[in-house]
Amino acid sequence: DAGVIQSPRHEVTEMGQEVTLRCKPISGHNSLFWYRQTMMRGLELLIYFNNNVPIDDSGMPEDRFSAKMPNASFSTLKIQPSEPRDSAVYFCASSLGTGKVDTGELFFGEGSRLTVL
Amino acid sequence: AQSVTQPDIHITVSEGASLELRCNYSYGATPYLFWYVQSPGQGLQLLLKYFSGDTLVQGIKGFEAEFKRSQSSFNLRKPSVHWSDAAEYFCAVDVSANQAGTALIFGKGTTLSVSS
Repeated sequence: DAGVIQSPRHEVTEMGQEVTLRCKPISGHNSLFWYRQTMMRGLELLIYFNNNVPIDDSGMPEDRFSAKMPNASFSTLKIQPSEPRDSAVYFCASSLGTGKVDTGELFFGEGSRLTVL
Repeated sequence: AQSVTQPDIHITVSEGASLELRCNYSYGATPYLFWYVQSPGQGLQLLLKYFSGDTLVQGIKGFEAEFKRSQSSFNLRKPSVHWSDAAEYFCAVDVSANQAGTALIFGKGTTLSVSS
């Protein structure tokens, strides 16, 4: 079975440019998460969706960041305009999300490494 | 506020020696706790989880963890470390409470190096 698929794996862009990161969750999973990983701050939860609906976006750093999940098999994280401090590895993860009995395991993609010059 | 603290940033253990990675959490309700492992350039993989019941939980790759409510701890252990265990280890707590799905807050991680 395919795992969580993220693209691009690596992105180098210049400050001020728009960046779009993409994620395809595991089929049948109904929760999707975006995390950001940096040396300084570790893994930060940016936003998560359940059944395509954003549940908690309190981790989104500022208005330059936006995330969408138009259907159960696709999500995007957009940064516009990008800044050097946005450089990080962005992970998408999905889970069954059907309740407390069997939740808990997040399946992570391999990440998108973003460098903003 | 909910938080997870991993006091040790980097630990080096000899191959074959025992391992204990520390994790402390701060969470008002009954916690759901997890340990994940991340190999270089990879995403995170679940090692084990605690929801309720037996406070000693077994995971994959020979790892176990013990939940101690009185100490707000969930330390990860392995009796004999293998070179392939070198990786970064993350403790996490589920903060989604009654909301749908599972939202994990991670500690900053402990990097494990294994010496021969």
